[in-house]
Amino acid sequence: DAGVTQSPTHLIKTRGQQVTLRCSPKSGHDTVSWYQQALGQGPQFIFQYYEEEERQRGNFPDRFSGHQFPNYSSELNVNALLLGDSALYLCASSFEGTNEKLFFGSGTQLSVL
Amino acid sequence: AQKITQTQPGMFVQEKEAVTLDCTYDTSDPSYGLFWYKQPSSGEMIFLIYQGSYDQQNATEGRYSLNFQKARKSANLVISASQLGDSAMYFCAMREPDYGGSQGNLIFGKGTKLSVKP
Repeated sequence: DAGVTQSPTHLIKTRGQQVTLRCSPKSGHDTVSWYQQALGQGPQFIFQYYEEEERQRGNFPDRFSGHQFPNYSSELNVNALLLGDSALYLCASSFEGTNEKLFFGSGTQLSVL
Repeated sequence: AQKITQTQPGMFVQEKEAVTLDCTYDTSDPSYGLFWYKQPSSGEMIFLIYQGSYDQQNATEGRYSLNFQKARKSANLVISASQLGDSAMYFCAMREPDYGGSQGNLIFGKGTKLSVKP
């Protein structure tokens, strides 16, 4: 049973570019959340997708957008990259309506130069 | 105001000894969940233990136990019989509300770096 998988594992971009990160949830999960973890900090919630729609959003600008596909996988897009976007981006999945823990992937380390 | 406070940036513990990692939280929602995650250098957040605000007993999962003091709004993690593989970052997190369908997202503290000495 595969857990949460994220790709790519590492990515280097330059300021102003756009990036797409991908996430496949754990088998049986239908809800995907994205978190940004800056160096030395705890993860911060970006947004959550359920039934292919953004359901909750944290305090992140519109440059951060996402998508969920019918197979529950998800993408995180960041436009007009800034140096401050350099971080570990974590995807987490869960099953809607249950009171269970989130399962996290190993993350995508994004470096913006 | 911070929702989750972890006051210990770093901790050292001798192998085979017990260690307590502190966490205090702030919420006015009667329904909330408290979580502890471990993050090794690989980056993955590994779930350790969960405590619901309505749970009467403190949660335990193997060598991990959660010392839940509701009135003091604290949820300390106790690791018994520390092992070298326990060296990692540990994050306390809260979800409010905690019930299904309208679950909030996780709010994390800044973490505590635990180092286990042989």
